[in-house]
Amino acid sequence: EVQLVESGGGLVQPGRSLKLSCVASGFTFSNYGMNWIRQAPGKGLEWVAYISSGSSYIYYAETVKGRFTISRDNAKNTLYLQMTSLRSEDTALYYCARRGTTTGFDYWGQGVMVTVSS
Amino acid sequence: EIVLTQSPTTMTASPGEKVTITCRASSSVSYMHWYQQKPGASPKPWIYETSKLASGVPDRFSGSGSGTSYSLTINNMEAEDAATYYCQQWNYPYTFGAGTKLELK
Repeated sequence: EVQLVESGGGLVQPGRSLKLSCVASGFTFSNYGMNWIRQAPGKGLEWVAYISSGSSYIYYAETVKGRFTISRDNAKNTLYLQMTSLRSEDTALYYCARRGTTTGFDYWGQGVMVTVSS
Repeated sequence: EIVLTQSPTTMTASPGEKVTITCRASSSVSYMHWYQQKPGASPKPWIYETSKLASGVPDRFSGSGSGTSYSLTINNMEAEDAATYYCQQWNYPYTFGAGTKLELK
C-alpha cells in the first residue's frame, strides 16, 4: 500500500523558516517525481514545487520561488520542503503528492499544517 | 501560466440528476486531470488524461474535452458524489481550477 506521511508543520513567525518532510512507503520512491501542493484554509489547491526522481529537474511556483527549496533523499525514501522567509499567505495545509506517469497526482499524503503568524 | 476557470463555483443536484462541471483553460492543453475532495480529507485522483477513470471511481462519472474546454459529467447523481471537484493541467507550472462545490439537494 502506498503511503505518504508528512511532518514538520507548526506555528512559525513571519520571516522565519520551517522544514517539512514526507516519508514514502509502499512503492519504489526513487522511480517517481514528487510534489508539494498546498491548500490555504477554506481555499483551493495550489501546486508549490516538483522534483524529478533523480533530482535533476526541479520546478517551483512563482509564489515561492527563491524562498522554498524542494529536495529528496532516495536512500531514506523522504521528500523535503525547506521554507524560508515565511509569510502569512504561506499559511496552508501542505500535501506531499506523487506524480504519476500520465495519471496526474496519483497518491497524496494526509497533509501537514503550517501556520505563519506573530 | 495557464489559468483554469471552473464553472459553476457551487451547485446543488438531486439524486438521479445529471451534473456537468466545466473547466476552461487560458491556453490549449493536451489533457486535463480531475480530483475529488471531501471535507477534512485529502484530494483523490478522479479522472486522468481527460477521460480515464481512476481506480474505484464509479462509471456514472465521465470526462471529456480537448484544447481549452473540458468537462466532468455525473450521470445519475448519488449522495456520495457530493464533494468539491478540481481540474488540473499538466504543463509547468501546474495549475488547478478554483474548484466546484457540488452539494446534494
